Amino acid sequence: EDQVTQSPEALRLQEGESSSLNCSYTVSGLRGLFWYRQDPGKGPEFLFTLYSAGEEKEKERLKATLTKKESFLHITAPKPEDSATYLCAVQARSGGYQKVTFGIGTKLQVIP
Amino acid sequence: DAGITQSPRYKITETGRQVTLMCHQTWSHSYMFWYRQDLGHGLRLIYYSAAADITDKGEVPDGYVVSRSKTENFPLTLESATRSQTSVYFCASTSNPETQYFGPGTRLLVL
Repeated sequence: EDQVTQSPEALRLQEGESSSLNCSYTVSGLRGLFWYRQDPGKGPEFLFTLYSAGEEKEKERLKATLTKKESFLHITAPKPEDSATYLCAVQARSGGYQKVTFGIGTKLQVIP
Repeated sequence: DAGITQSPRYKITETGRQVTLMCHQTWSHSYMFWYRQDLGHGLRLIYYSAAADITDKGEVPDGYVVSRSKTENFPLTLESATRSQTSVYFCASTSNPETQYFGPGTRLLVL
């Protein structure tokens, strides 16, 4: 069974204090790993897709990396507007395109 | 407005009543999905659709019914609501099965 574990569950940072969120996964053949951002009371917003170990993607202060066992979402010099819950999800090669397993998320709070 | 919308945004109902949650997208995406999000759980797939008139069960389909007569609409019906169906429901759509675009959600309370 595919599994996604995100850590920490919650993270509180001072503005400008860089850190990383972790997503550990087990999947029978990875098709893709996804990062989403979810603001309170809203639907998840797509950030990145990573396909293979060693791949990296960046968007503003966010950088996602992928290994064979985990993915990291690095946040450089965060701002209060980066406060949100960050969701990780994996899609397996087998089982069909609809088989996407989501983690519970890491709730990030950036304090001014 | 372009994008994906859900209605109602909030709904309170009673046990045993039928409830329909609406989802509408303007991108002409082939794929559409219904998820529920509960505390302590990641998003869980209820039903999905690859195209109009093609639907299939996800991880937690019991107690739910879907239809998709038009590409842009994907309603989710709770035939006889139960308290365990109190949740936040998200609809998503995509033309690429790997990247899903989510609606704003419907918060459902079953009393």
